[in-house]
Amino acid sequence: SAVISQKPSRDICQRGTSLTIQCQVDSQVTMMFWYRQQPGQSLTLIATANQGSEATYESGFVIDKFPISRPNLTFSTLTVSNLSPEDSSIYLCSVELAGGPTDTQYFGPGTRLTVL
Amino acid sequence: AQSVSQHNHHVILSEAASLELGCNYSYGGTVNLFWYVQYPGQHLQLLLKYFSGDPLVKGIKGFEAEFIKSKFSFNLRKPSVQWSDTAEYFCAVNAGGFQKLVFGTGTRLLVSP
Repeated sequence: SAVISQKPSRDICQRGTSLTIQCQVDSQVTMMFWYRQQPGQSLTLIATANQGSEATYESGFVIDKFPISRPNLTFSTLTVSNLSPEDSSIYLCSVELAGGPTDTQYFGPGTRLTVL
Repeated sequence: AQSVSQHNHHVILSEAASLELGCNYSYGGTVNLFWYVQYPGQHLQLLLKYFSGDPLVKGIKGFEAEFIKSKFSFNLRKPSVQWSDTAEYFCAVNAGGFQKLVFGTGTRLLVSP
C-alpha cells in the first residue's frame, strides 16, 4: 500500500471563495484520482489526474469549478472554486498501485469542507 | 453505465452474530470487485478484492466475499462480528479495463457489545 496525506484535513469556507486541497503520496504513482463524498452519499469520481497530462473529468464536473494540478509523480492539488453550500463534502484523493494481477486504489484520509 | 447497489443501508448486529452485506453490480463484462471499509474517524481502507480465479476471496480481519457471476453479486461475509467491526462498508467495481471505481452507497454496520 501507500501512505497518502491530505491537507487540510478540514476547513470552513465562505461562499464565493476557493479551497485548494493537497494530496501527497510517499511513492511515485502514475494514476491519482479525486473523489467527492457528499453527506450521506457514496463516493463519486471527480477526475483522474495523470502526471504530464490534463486531468480527465467525469460527467458533471468541469475544470473551471475543479481545477487540478499534477506537477510530479507524488503530488496533486484539487481546487474547489466559487464555493457554494452545495460543495460541502468530503474530498478524497486516491492513488492506483500495481500489485499482482490487478491495480488497486488506496485512499487518503479526506478533506472535510463546510461552506457557509 | 456501471452501477453498484448495496441494499442494506444500516445493519445492527450483536457481537458474535454472522454478517452478510449484499452488493450487486450492473456490467456484463469482466469486472474487478472491491470491498472497502471506513472505521469511525479513519480513512477508507481496502478490505478485499476479486479480479479472477477462486470466486471466494478472503480479506483482512476474518472477512470474505463471494463473487457469483450469474447473480452479478459480490456479497461480504463474516461468521462472527466483533464490536470493532462497527464501520461503514463500501462495495466498488471497475470494469472494462478502466481504472474508474464505481462505488455503492455504503452500509453502516453497528455492532453492539
